[in-house]
Amino acid sequence: DADVTQTPRNRITKTGKRIMLECSQTKGHDRMYWYRQDPGLGLRLIYYSFDVKDINKGEISDGYSVSRQAQAKFSLSLESAIPNQTALYFCATSSGRMGKETQYFGPGTRLLVL
Amino acid sequence: AQSVSQHNHHVILSEAASLELGCNYSYGGTVNLFWYVQYPGQHLQLLLKYFSGDPLVKGIKGFEAEFIKSKFSFNLRKPSVQWSDTAEYFCAVNAGNAGGTSYGKLTFGQGTILTVHP
Repeated sequence: DADVTQTPRNRITKTGKRIMLECSQTKGHDRMYWYRQDPGLGLRLIYYSFDVKDINKGEISDGYSVSRQAQAKFSLSLESAIPNQTALYFCATSSGRMGKETQYFGPGTRLLVL
Repeated sequence: AQSVSQHNHHVILSEAASLELGCNYSYGGTVNLFWYVQYPGQHLQLLLKYFSGDPLVKGIKGFEAEFIKSKFSFNLRKPSVQWSDTAEYFCAVNAGNAGGTSYGKLTFGQGTILTVHP
C-alpha cells in the first residue's frame, strides 16, 4: 500500500552495527506495528504502538527497540545487529474501532546481517 | 494466547483447479479473521476479512472463505485458480473483545505457498 512507506527497502550490515528501519504513513492511523517475516514462520510481531505515548513489546522484542516520533512515524532499531536478525521486516498500520480493525502493510525492508 | 495453524506449507495446482487452503486457530473468545496474500517480491495485501455476520465471506479476485466456529476454522477457497494466483497466503487472527493479551494484535499462520502451473 503506497500510504505506508518503509526505508530503506534493502540493507546489508555487519554484525554489531546499529541500524534503524523507518516507517511512515499518510493514512492518519493511530496504531502502528513492526513485524519480521522468516520463511516457514509467517509474520511475528516485534513491537506495536496504539498511539504516540503507547508502545508495547510483541512476541519477539529482544534485540530490538522502537521509537514513535509522531503519529505518522514509527522506527525500529537494532542496537547491535546479529546474523539471526536477517529477515524481511514489515511495518503496518491499522484503522477501525479496536476489536474491528484491519491492518495495512508497507512494502517491507529486506535486511541482511553478515 | 492465540495461535494460528495453516496445514499446508506448499500447494501445487494446475490452472482451473479448485483451491482450498486450511486455517485453524486456537482462541476461545470472539475473533476477527483475515486472509492476506503476498505476491512474489511484494508486500502483504488483504484478500478478505471476517468480523461478524454471514460466515461465508467473499474477497477480491474471486476468493472466498468460510468461518466455521465449531471447528475453529477459516478456510480459503477459489473455484478455479489462475497462474497469477501464485503467491504466499497467510491466515491471521485477532481477538475481537477487549481484555486479554491478544486484543488489538494480529497473529499469523506460517503461510502457504501456492504455485499454479499454466
